Amino acid sequence: GIQVEQSPPDLILQEGANSTLRCNFSDSVNNLQWFHQNPWGQLINLFYIPSGTKQNGRLSATTVATERYSLLYISSSQTTDSGVYFCAVGLSTSGTYKYIFGTGTRLKVLA
Amino acid sequence: GAVVSQHPSWVICKSGTSVKIECRSLDFQATTMFWYRQFPKQSLMLMATSNEGSKATYEQGVEKDKFLINHASLTLSTLTVTSAHPEDSSFYICSANSAGGGNRPYNEQFFGPGTRLTVL
Repeated sequence: GIQVEQSPPDLILQEGANSTLRCNFSDSVNNLQWFHQNPWGQLINLFYIPSGTKQNGRLSATTVATERYSLLYISSSQTTDSGVYFCAVGLSTSGTYKYIFGTGTRLKVLA
Repeated sequence: GAVVSQHPSWVICKSGTSVKIECRSLDFQATTMFWYRQFPKQSLMLMATSNEGSKATYEQGVEKDKFLINHASLTLSTLTVTSAHPEDSSFYICSANSAGGGNRPYNEQFFGPGTRLTVL
């Protein structure tokens, strides 16, 4: 099956710093989403980005589907950005549609 | 944004009992709902895909008789953990796929808040 790897697995930043999170996938996908899981377990939608670049405030994302990777940029990080960031790739196989999650990046932003 | 509710948010039960978890899309119709399981400090593992009015599609290694899924309508799916044992203790999360339309792309996934199950 498809492999979805994220890097780095762990990241510690000082408040105000910028960071880039990476998501590599091993096969063609139909789409890709980025999520932030807060300390209570809730997954929050960040981007629906099968290709191209999108920006939302301090966050932006780029997916290069032909090269099988996506990047999530966090600028001017804040302590509230702490948590786990997941990418998830959408696949259509055998008449069903499903998402496979990446391994995650655990981010801690220090005040 | 799209809202997905999940109930209960946490449950503690005795070994051997069955537990039902409900997942509802509150302000949109979901063509497909998904059930995930997450262990501490790990990623989400897809358990099954649930389509309204048809049988669920289970991922390899997931026991369909253990984890019963019913998708009664375009806004409700339920997961029943039958004869729960301590190894079933986990964080269970549902999601619902948007059918598209308006500002929502087709097949964008929205998550419920999760259910923390502890089996004693």
